[in-house]
Amino acid sequence: EIVLTQSPATLSLSPGERATLSCRASQSTSNFLAWYQQKPGQAPRLLIYDVSNRATGIPARFSGSGSGTDFTLTISSLEPEDFAVYYCQQRSTFTFGPGTKVDIK
Amino acid sequence: EVQLVQSGTEVKKPGATVKISCKVSGYTFTDYYIHWVQQAPGKGLEWMGLVDPEDGDTLYAEKFQGRVTITADTSTDTAYMELSSLRSGDTAVYYCATDSPTPTNGVLHHYWGQGTLVTVSS
Repeated sequence: EIVLTQSPATLSLSPGERATLSCRASQSTSNFLAWYQQKPGQAPRLLIYDVSNRATGIPARFSGSGSGTDFTLTISSLEPEDFAVYYCQQRSTFTFGPGTKVDIK
Repeated sequence: EVQLVQSGTEVKKPGATVKISCKVSGYTFTDYYIHWVQQAPGKGLEWMGLVDPEDGDTLYAEKFQGRVTITADTSTDTAYMELSSLRSGDTAVYYCATDSPTPTNGVLHHYWGQGTLVTVSS
């Protein structure tokens, strides 16, 4: 079973700043790694799939990178609507990481 | 337009069983798996299991094995998740989701239901 860990647990930033979120897998995910955004009271929203592919309608400020067991979600310049919780996911098993909360500094 | 519409809020007593529905529209129901995900209050996302609507095959997370049953009714394009022997720790929002392993024509099939709150309380 692949276990995903995310760091940091909380990231406190200001609008306009760059956010870098990390996801580490206990073993190789074969690049079936996705990122989601979730806001209170809403279903998760797929941002990135297969490491670096943006889902339909996702702004270009969101990008994903990495390989093997180490992956990164980067938000190049935080917009007010980007403050939320972000989860990584191993898509082939639908397993999620514990999440990183991005809040306003 | 693809939609996954889930049934409404449930309140159950400990030991009871809950069955939640997820009606899909806008695509061929049998083409893609349906997943179920649990989210306890203030907690993360936990995958419970999936059903292949084409043949009814299922796969369950070890944590829920023995208590969860996921089914698909192709006559109504509806998936169901039944959770038995409910306890307070099962209080959560439950989501259905549909997902394809690979994109088709550059677009990934990936949609979620709105979520169903289940409260377990005596």
